Amino acid sequence: QKEVEQNSGPLSVPEGAIASLNCTYSDRVSQSFFWYRQYSGKSPELIMSIYSNGDKEDGRFTAQLNKASQYVSLLIRDSQPSDSATYLCAVNPLGSGNTGKLIFGQGTTLQVKP
Amino acid sequence: DVKVTQSSRYLVKRTGEKVFLECVQDMDHENMFWYRQDPGLGLRLIYFSYDVKMKEKGDIPEGYSVSREKKERFSLILESASTNQTSMYLCASSPPKGRGYEQFFGPGTRLTVL
Repeated sequence: QKEVEQNSGPLSVPEGAIASLNCTYSDRVSQSFFWYRQYSGKSPELIMSIYSNGDKEDGRFTAQLNKASQYVSLLIRDSQPSDSATYLCAVNPLGSGNTGKLIFGQGTTLQVKP
Repeated sequence: DVKVTQSSRYLVKRTGEKVFLECVQDMDHENMFWYRQDPGLGLRLIYFSYDVKMKEKGDIPEGYSVSREKKERFSLILESASTNQTSMYLCASSPPKGRGYEQFFGPGTRLTVL
């Protein structure tokens, strides 16, 4: 089992819809969770971080964390064509100490159709 | 804002050449990382450093070395470039524990080895 799993997609949604991106992780005691957006040919850009169970909202983005189910998701409301990108889930694993090492999923490609 | 810069956006080298990729961050981050990203393989960690002169191997260190003589600078060295090292190389930095562990990426260097 991969440490961080994402459906590779593509996930296709119409403009204005809610896009739901999901991520599961295997390390039960992970503490820090991140979502990155990566446009084609560009580097990953941090868009959300979440550390506690529940929801965290930032504009059109909501991150949801359920540590009991080892599940983190990203909701994008009112999806726009400019949201079309690959979204990477990242987890700070047990044993990484102070190194800040993250484990990244393979990413989910989102396509928002006008 | 955190700024991570990389010495080149595009680089073309010949097989057998020694290649230096430079990364500089301006946020006084302790942790720095080198990844490569290839289609279908996601982000793979080559080396990371959690302090000046400290380094640890990541998942794919073979054929690479690193240097961190100053806190703000982390260099990746390809000792003898080979065609299978053609890839996008991404540098990232992150603050220490207690400040979140978010990694911030540079723009990337697309290296082609002929």
